[in-house]
Amino acid sequence: TQLLEQSPQFLSIQEGENLTVYCNSSSVFSSLQWYRQEPGEGPVLLVTVVTGGEVKKLKRLTFQFGDARKDSSLHITAAQPGDTGLYLCAGANKGGANNLFFGTGTRLTVIP
Amino acid sequence: AAGVIQSPRHLIKEKRETATLKCYPIPRHDTVYWYQQGPGQDPQFLISFYEKMQSDKGSIPDRFSAQQFSDYHSELNMSSLELGDSALYFCASSSGGKQFFGPGTRLTVL
Repeated sequence: TQLLEQSPQFLSIQEGENLTVYCNSSSVFSSLQWYRQEPGEGPVLLVTVVTGGEVKKLKRLTFQFGDARKDSSLHITAAQPGDTGLYLCAGANKGGANNLFFGTGTRLTVIP
Repeated sequence: AAGVIQSPRHLIKEKRETATLKCYPIPRHDTVYWYQQGPGQDPQFLISFYEKMQSDKGSIPDRFSAQQFSDYHSELNMSSLELGDSALYFCASSSGGKQFFGPGTRLTVL
């Protein structure tokens, strides 16, 4: 059962454009993490959101955790070619073990 | 800053052989997680250890086993390898929530 659905699955935009990636679930998570993964490499942690409604900014990236802690979004302003990659959201379960359930992923391509 | 170390980075095995993957967590991290990522798929949780004890179990086949040692490094043992076991295997470590991933071991079963 896929707990986290990301949309869009693929996104190709021009350099300088803005974009938003969505991560939705019917489950409540104790925290949600966003990762970026390059081909053949391990996911790199971008941010962790814990509190419902929380907004975190990382340079041109803005992350928001839904009020009910079931969904999240990633907004990138003025995308750069260096933003190209696979973006994964991952929710930690409430059971205390904190193993992650990964979303389906969004593959972003920024065209120069 | 020190990161998670995994070895080997690449491994090629024949069907029915065994493989051992090693993970060295970030210093002072007490929890280790193992994930399997098939081609074009998202990582799937296999198993985790906290303070050398198994803390949670995911979709890990019975042919696989893992343990965490006194120095906190972990090993994933895979026996009777099948073609479908070909994947990237990631180890992640954490201390208090945030998980940091290693570079992965790419296992190819021929």
